[in-house]
Amino acid sequence: GIQVEQSPPDLILQEGANSTLRCNFSDSVNNLQWFHQNPWGQLINLFYIPSGTKQNGRLSATTVATERYSLLYISSSQTTDSGVYFCAVRRMDSSYKLIFGSGTRLLVRP
Amino acid sequence: GAGVSQTPSNKVTEKGKYVELRCDPISGHTALYWYRQSLGQGPEFLIYFQGTGAADDSGLPNDRFFAVRPEGSVSTLKIQRTERGDSAVYLCASSWGLDSEQFFGPGTRLTVL
Repeated sequence: GIQVEQSPPDLILQEGANSTLRCNFSDSVNNLQWFHQNPWGQLINLFYIPSGTKQNGRLSATTVATERYSLLYISSSQTTDSGVYFCAVRRMDSSYKLIFGSGTRLLVRP
Repeated sequence: GAGVSQTPSNKVTEKGKYVELRCDPISGHTALYWYRQSLGQGPEFLIYFQGTGAADDSGLPNDRFFAVRPEGSVSTLKIQRTERGDSAVYLCASSWGLDSEQFFGPGTRLTVL
């Protein structure tokens, strides 16, 4: 099956710093979503981005489908950005299930 | 409410017991998905429905797990003869259609003693 790898696995930032999270996948995909799982366990949708670039406030994401990776940029980080960030993909010509990476655990210190 | 809802939020049961977990999707969403998340890992797919029928149940770990969606809206995940290894957070998601953005509920934390 398709492999989804996220890096780094853990990241500690000082408030106000910028960061880039990476998601590599091993096969062609039709769908890619980025989620933030908050400390209460809720998965919050950040981006639905099978290709191209999107921005939402301090967050932006880019997916280069032909090279099988996606990047999530967090600028001017805040303590509320802490949590786990997941990338999930749907493999092309396959089931509509999402395959999740193992996540990047982010801690933003005040 | 506007989002996916799941009940109960927490369920503690004893090994060997039967449990039911409920999911209410976002109104109008035709596709519904169940995932399971163990501590420190990403969610793993269990089953999804398009309307009333299970379109893919390849993620169900064994025949103790079963899910239904009789009227194409609410879904129930049923686990028979629970085992300690079934302890996890069970997440439900829904989407407008099968190839649309999925939105997740808050999950049900199942603990099997």
